[in-house]
Amino acid sequence: DTGVSQDPRHKITKRGQNVTFRCDPISEHNRLYWYRQTLGQGPEFLTYFQNEAQLEKSRLLSDRFSAERPKGSFSTLEIQRTEQGDSAMYLCASRSFKGVNTEAFFGQGTRLTVV
Amino acid sequence: ELKVEQNPLFLSMQEGKNYTIYCNYSTTSDRLYWYRQDPGKSLESLFVLLSNGAVKQEGRLMASLDTKARLSTLHITAAVHDLSATYFCAVDSVSGYALNFGKGTSLLVTP
Repeated sequence: DTGVSQDPRHKITKRGQNVTFRCDPISEHNRLYWYRQTLGQGPEFLTYFQNEAQLEKSRLLSDRFSAERPKGSFSTLEIQRTEQGDSAMYLCASRSFKGVNTEAFFGQGTRLTVV
Repeated sequence: ELKVEQNPLFLSMQEGKNYTIYCNYSTTSDRLYWYRQDPGKSLESLFVLLSNGAVKQEGRLMASLDTKARLSTLHITAAVHDLSATYFCAVDSVSGYALNFGKGTSLLVTP
């Protein structure tokens, strides 16, 4: 498998429940990103990992959101006490760094619906 | 705060016509990325523009970068229906970590 893989592809949850999403990046990519995209908008940056270190977080990432990348491989994004406003597509991307940034490759996304 | 602005946001054009999408950004970044997104799908990389004056072409699409003007263009030549999609430009943040996207240009090519 040479692409970015995300699981699950779709998630429907009741308001107040916790959800966790998984991302498996391209194996040789040390940089991993989480984005959120709502209908008609561009992807909004949430957080960035370089290997296992979380180096940047957006102001969009409230304290209900947490992301991890243990061992610098796969990553998880957890949303606690979900709200209807969390309904969106959550995209994961990875890229390599060869002295300079290269292009980012995106997974298929996890579509979250909070009811 | 880095701003990436695209225009137009919506574009309906006839098959066979030419048009240009513009992407303005507010940092001194010397590289810019164009992506395509089909409805309900993820983002597909189209072009990586690496320096001032860079021009890349793929089929009916041609992208260029002017870092001094902080402007990139995506030119569509003789549009066909298969080009209907949303096109995003993206720029690295000053830190070099985040990749920031514009709001996208939704393109519809009609017969």
